[in-house]
Amino acid sequence: QVQLQESGPGLVKSSETLSLTCTVSGGSIAGGNYHWTWIRQHPGKGLEWIGYVYDSGSTHSNPSLKSRVAMSVDMAKKQFSLHLSSVTAADTAMYYCARAQTIFAAAPVFDSWGQGTLVTVSS
Amino acid sequence: QSVLTQAPSASGTPGQRVTISCSGSRSNVGPNIVSWYQQVPGMAPKLLIYSNDQRPSGVPDRFSGSKSGTSASLAISGLQSEDEADYFCAAWDDSLHGVIFGGGTKLTVL
Repeated sequence: QVQLQESGPGLVKSSETLSLTCTVSGGSIAGGNYHWTWIRQHPGKGLEWIGYVYDSGSTHSNPSLKSRVAMSVDMAKKQFSLHLSSVTAADTAMYYCARAQTIFAAAPVFDSWGQGTLVTVSS
Repeated sequence: QSVLTQAPSASGTPGQRVTISCSGSRSNVGPNIVSWYQQVPGMAPKLLIYSNDQRPSGVPDRFSGSKSGTSASLAISGLQSEDEADYFCAAWDDSLHGVIFGGGTKLTVL
């Protein structure tokens, strides 16, 4: 059973870069079978897709965040990462990493999720 | 404001059947598959339905999904107290070139 676990600072200062890592265990991160995904949820609100990173290293980001988002994958460590630059209070949210199956192309079939990590942006 | 529209709340009594709707458009729900997620308070979302009407293994058959035109629905029959949660629909949007979620429906079991 694959497990995903987010890690990173819970507090980031405004205008700085939020950096999170997701570690995958109990399953493969390679093989082209999955998109590795970041999703966030503002307090008491709905879900917002941040983007996909593929095991090739290519990425696809939410157009509304694209200018501030960078994602990468480290196959050897079985990790993928999110960097969100120039953060503001509006970026305070629970951040989830998740796995999507490529058999469904870019469709949002997120079959495994991390438990989430709360990131607060302070001024 | 979410591109996929869901009623903010729904309710039912134990044993009842409830339906949650997700309204989209010709750029998202119309041409693309819909997924549904269940989120119990304090937990990560869980995949409930994919490809409009398919259940992952382990999801009870009390949960069913359907799609017609630019709308999708999640039905829960034999409602149980443990079904009290937030439910989100999701789809790819061809115009936005990204994944979009509905705003979520909070289901209360009375």
